Amino acid sequence: QVQLQQWGAGLLKPSETLSLTCAVHGGSFSGYYWSWIRQPPGKGLEWIGEINHSGSTNYNPPLKSRVTISVDTSKNQLSLKLSSVTAADTAVYYCARGSLQLSILQYYYYYMDVWGTGTTVTVSS
Amino acid sequence: SSELTQDPAVSVALGQTVRITCQGDSLRGYYATWYQQKPGQAPVLVVFGENNRPSGTPDRFSGSTSGNTASLTITGAQAEDEAAYYCSSRDNSGKLLLFGGGTKLTVL
Repeated sequence: QVQLQQWGAGLLKPSETLSLTCAVHGGSFSGYYWSWIRQPPGKGLEWIGEINHSGSTNYNPPLKSRVTISVDTSKNQLSLKLSSVTAADTAVYYCARGSLQLSILQYYYYYMDVWGTGTTVTVSS
Repeated sequence: SSELTQDPAVSVALGQTVRITCQGDSLRGYYATWYQQKPGQAPVLVVFGENNRPSGTPDRFSGSTSGNTASLTITGAQAEDEAAYYCSSRDNSGKLLLFGGGTKLTVL
């Protein structure tokens, strides 16, 4: 059973860089998409970006200039860096494993079946 | 379009059927995926693909799509189904992942 363990600094000052790590236990990186998602207090889910099994990344446009997602396959770890944080970046941050498939009816579908437990990050001076 | 639209809140009487909807242009090419989130917990996958459920999701949960609208139906809602439900799909380019704003389900 695959589990995702997350960790990183929970309290940052404005302008600092958020750095989180997500370790994959019980499974492989190969063949999956690995995403970071965040949820500000009392709000909905926001996709930050992803890295796929070949190392290609996609980022949410509003965050793209500040985000870097990378993997260390030797350690089975995924990392997130978000620079120049502000109070608006205060949120619970999740890592998740995703799969993209094509149905018989030629519809694609993408789903994230394994999620980390979340890391609360607060940005405050 | 790069948006998925959900009603903010829906309520259902215990044991009755409720439909939660999600609208967006990307749903003409992608099936929606549905996640359940209870307070203080990470989201949990409940329905994906044409109408697939992970092991552990009760069969009272089902998904469907028509045009640009996806629906999550709970047939015989239980108290433990009270949660926020989020739809998700890739955007039309396939490069971005979209989430709906979420629907808070109250079981009366």
